[in-house]
Amino acid sequence: GEDVEQSLFLSVREGDSSVINCTYTDSSSTYLYWYKQEPGAGLQLLTYIFSNMDMKQDQRLTVLLNKKDKHLSLRIADTQTGDSAIYFCAENRGNQGGKLIFGQGTELSVKP
Amino acid sequence: GAVVSQHPSRVICKSGTSVKIECRSLDFQATTMFWYRQFPKQSLMLMATSNEGSKATYEQGVEKDKFLINHASLTLSTLTVTSAHPEDSSFYICSATNHRGGSYGYTFGSGTRLTVV
Repeated sequence: GEDVEQSLFLSVREGDSSVINCTYTDSSSTYLYWYKQEPGAGLQLLTYIFSNMDMKQDQRLTVLLNKKDKHLSLRIADTQTGDSAIYFCAENRGNQGGKLIFGQGTELSVKP
Repeated sequence: GAVVSQHPSRVICKSGTSVKIECRSLDFQATTMFWYRQFPKQSLMLMATSNEGSKATYEQGVEKDKFLINHASLTLSTLTVTSAHPEDSSFYICSATNHRGGSYGYTFGSGTRLTVV
């Protein structure tokens, strides 16, 4: 299909790991992104991965990319209450002028 | 790092009036700017892509006469919501990039919450 898909909700306990999954659509996407949005705010780029990479780690964040299945995941280690937000994955559609297409967003709730 | 300034952050207007939202890249030249709309608890929906000096490319279902986009310089794009109605109330976010050939950098503005009464 045309949509970038994510599960809508995830609830974890503080200190646990969170894994947010995303399925994208365009096999020609060169970059895939994870953004964080807090209530009423704009988007904060968390991390991105180039399409020729399988994994990227940046402090508490680990991104895994399965290009064959067009599956992307974001793992947040030692999740904190401050991580509660909506997380969006996005694909760069290089063959459509580079526009960025977003998933529906996953609302992460971290309970103390 | 790259910064995009979006103004106003919040606006309330009466039905039938027009509202202009500005998006400026402060420390880089934005060859391409994107305008998104976001409804509460929903994703960002791409409205249009604008390249400096040329007409914007609108996504399917977005009325170009309703949402006027101007990208007259490499640092400024504007979105004008014409003859606004309550159903236009939404969160509008711009994004700017100077990518050529697919580099990774998209910088987002902080968004504009439009309420039409």
